[in-house]
Amino acid sequence: DARVTQTPRHKVTEMGQEVTMRCQPILGHNTVFWYRQTMMQGLELLAYFRNRAPLDDSGMPKDRFSAEMPDATLATLKIQPSEPRDSAVYFCASGLTPYRVTTDTQYFGPGTRLTVL
Amino acid sequence: KQEVTQIPAALSVPEGENLVLNCSFTDSAIYNLQWFRQDPGKGLTSLLLIQSSQREQTSGRLNASLDKSSGRSTLYIAASQPGDSATYLCASYSGGYQKVTFGIGTKLQVIP
Repeated sequence: DARVTQTPRHKVTEMGQEVTMRCQPILGHNTVFWYRQTMMQGLELLAYFRNRAPLDDSGMPKDRFSAEMPDATLATLKIQPSEPRDSAVYFCASGLTPYRVTTDTQYFGPGTRLTVL
Repeated sequence: KQEVTQIPAALSVPEGENLVLNCSFTDSAIYNLQWFRQDPGKGLTSLLLIQSSQREQTSGRLNASLDKSSGRSTLYIAASQPGDSATYLCASYSGGYQKVTFGIGTKLQVIP
């Protein structure tokens, strides 16, 4: 049963610290998405990649957030320095999309719950 | 900028009842609309994806419709069960890269 995996599942850190979240997409999927979910804003798209190339990261605060795909099996989302307002659940999702982004279903990971004190 | 609204924010129904969840969007030039289910502490599970050329999609007891001209989509759940209790989110895809915008969701509780 193929799944998207995310680590860590929970992270508590202090303001100013660097946070790295990792995602392993489903093998063979060519598109990876990063989302952030909060009670106030709901689910927001931060960035997505197709064939490891970043297509759009306009939803991401550029000054402190960065997203990369060092290889096809690993996507990372880093926050440096972290702030209390970054507290949220961060989801990774992967999909198989021949052309446009959404012609196929996205498969979500279980999320990383981040708390910044 | 696309805005997606879901009403009601919460809904409680007795088991067996048929129900409709609503989703409205401001930009009718969408490519696709998708309904997801989210269980507490979990990620999202895709339920139905409606492409812009389609009017509806069905899967088991679920039926989703799309009316682009009015900017509305509905998710119909027939013969609701306690296992249907979850938060249901709709997502629209629009713009050059089909940027996705999610609604806040409707939290459904089906009472046995």
